[in-house]
Amino acid sequence: DAKTTQPPSMDCAEGRAANLPCNHSTISGNEYVYWYRQIHSQGPQYIIHGLKNNETNEMASLIITEDRKSSTLILPHATLRDTAVYYCIVSYPYNFNKFYFGSGTKLNVKP
Amino acid sequence: DAGVIQSPRHEVTEMGQEVTLRCKPISGHDYLFWYRQTMMRGLELLIYFNNNVPIDDSGMPEDRFSAKMPNASFSTLKIQPSEPRDSAVYFCASSLGGQGKETQYFGPGTRLLVL
Repeated sequence: DAKTTQPPSMDCAEGRAANLPCNHSTISGNEYVYWYRQIHSQGPQYIIHGLKNNETNEMASLIITEDRKSSTLILPHATLRDTAVYYCIVSYPYNFNKFYFGSGTKLNVKP
Repeated sequence: DAGVIQSPRHEVTEMGQEVTLRCKPISGHDYLFWYRQTMMRGLELLIYFNNNVPIDDSGMPEDRFSAKMPNASFSTLKIQPSEPRDSAVYFCASSLGGQGKETQYFGPGTRLLVL
């Protein structure tokens, strides 16, 4: 079962930053936070992951609170193509049988 | 690289028939995963392999489901006999393995409809 809590849906205006929250209050010391997304009718796509420090790549930024009980995925300039379901997953690396995708957040980017 | 390849992309069959789904992982990847996605249950891990060996099949729903990986470049998921409740999208994914390389790369999925 998912160890994370995400809002079921969010809206974002095209060109604005999308900030997707995730609560993971029971996260263990060495568990990572992973983010994937699934665009309609496609397979899930990896976005970013982190342990303690904030992370940034070409797709997004991941901000993890100091107590690690929550995190935020930031898409700096959302486009219509970012409309998707975003999954926040907490897991130990390679603990694949505990890699629960949950229900995710449906992000609707609007023109 | 072509990414993870799955076939067929769509399958319609009748209850009781055998269904075989196929997957070609990304070359060089040591891990292969089979997932099932339905509206009711979301995305569920069925089984995964490491270096062609099944590691965890606890997600396989019942004996009607079986998966094989005869070599590093090919895997099958078989349902025999199929039932209407098996209708779902089945995804295959692969992962490179190694320190910090657990990212899973998903294929486009096979949409299965059992009538």
